[in-house]
Amino acid sequence: IAGITQAPTSQILAAGRRMTLRCTQDMRHNAMYWYRQDLGLGLRLIHYSNTAGTTGKGEVPDGYSVSRANTDDFPLTLASAVPSQTSVYFCASSETLTGVFGYTFGSGTRLTVV
Amino acid sequence: GDSVTQMEGPVTLSEEAFLTINCTYTATGYPSLFWYVQYPGEGLQLLLKATKADDKGSNKGFEATYRKETTSFHLEKGSVQVSDSAVYFCALSETGGDTGNQFYFGTGTSLTVIP
Repeated sequence: IAGITQAPTSQILAAGRRMTLRCTQDMRHNAMYWYRQDLGLGLRLIHYSNTAGTTGKGEVPDGYSVSRANTDDFPLTLASAVPSQTSVYFCASSETLTGVFGYTFGSGTRLTVV
Repeated sequence: GDSVTQMEGPVTLSEEAFLTINCTYTATGYPSLFWYVQYPGEGLQLLLKATKADDKGSNKGFEATYRKETTSFHLEKGSVQVSDSAVYFCALSETGGDTGNQFYFGTGTSLTVIP
């Protein structure tokens, strides 16, 4: 089934540790995004990539980095996790830059930093 | 800048009640408008969309009409079911700028339908 696969589905991480959240899509979408979802704040954009080889910062990029070596993969790395990064993380992709078709979302990674 | 404002939740309704979730937006151009639904423990799924003024999006008994004059995209359903219990997000998409296909989400409205 075409879509987005995120891994892991959940993780408990010690503060200060490094962690990479994986995201893979099989739809050949050009654009990919990482959001975090926190109660009362909705979804906030962390980083995005309009096409392979390019990335950009979203609303809340501090403490996170991304790479886009190819079309399918868009990993999100926390270099040194802090408790405020406890959240649910969603990867998303879109087919075109026009926005007409909307986003496809992964099922999320629930991360707890202790 | 662009933004989406949706009604505060949570909303609790009895089965077969009428549902309205209000959504208004601010945009500089001519955005596309969306409603997404998130069931417990899952990611967001596209529920319906409208790409220009006066368009009506519909799916699974839900409807929303793109009203440019009131900058609104309210979600409605005539008779809700227990299975409609979820969090609903209003969103808009604008093209242009360095983020290309930039989405703006509302904060979500939690709906619980009781039998």
